[in-house]
Amino acid sequence: SYELTQPPSVSVSPGQTARITCSGDALPKQYAYWYQQRPGQAPVVLIYKDSERPSGIPERFSGSSSGTIVTLTISGVQAEDEADYYCQSADSSGTWVFGGGTMLTVL
Amino acid sequence: QVRFVQSGAEVKKPGASVKVSCKASGYTFTSYPIHWVRQAPGQRLEWMGRINAGSGHTEYSQKFQGRVSFTRDTSASTAYIELSSLRSEDTAVYFCARGGPLEEAFDIWGQGTLVIVSS
Repeated sequence: SYELTQPPSVSVSPGQTARITCSGDALPKQYAYWYQQRPGQAPVVLIYKDSERPSGIPERFSGSSSGTIVTLTISGVQAEDEADYYCQSADSSGTWVFGGGTMLTVL
Repeated sequence: QVRFVQSGAEVKKPGASVKVSCKASGYTFTSYPIHWVRQAPGQRLEWMGRINAGSGHTEYSQKFQGRVSFTRDTSASTAYIELSSLRSEDTAVYFCARGGPLEEAFDIWGQGTLVIVSS
């Protein structure tokens, strides 16, 4: 079955830039999405269509794509950004898949 | 505003079935599909499938085929998931989510429903 691979954890100091990667063979052909999930809460979409940001999402969140890897970049990390981040995409049959999640720690 | 409100937590015995509801408000219910996603304790999000809220057409993840059923009541703007033959590994938080206008991004989520399977 199709898999998306993320690093389990990323740590960054406040004000620094965090980069979270997600790799998958179908990513060159399928859009990627990114979600933020705080403990005990439902996910919130941060990025859709690889790099588009929904209204209301701060500009410090951005997405990019290069081949089989997509990246979520958080510029000027704030304490409130500490959360789990999930990438999402679809395989060729239309089945949606989530990455394993990355825990962002703000030092 | 657009929101989903899910039914409350459930405790079930192995082998039983559970049905969770997801009531939508703030938009035309039949315009977008509703997905079901679950998250076991400490685990990743797992897509279970979706229902076209307009036509009722369903698509199920192969993992759950034959054991899960999605339905909807358009008059009540409510979607349902029923999972049968429950086992301990089904203990999880179950979310409904809208496949909305942002190129199918899951843009609106319910608050989640905890289902515990325990003897």
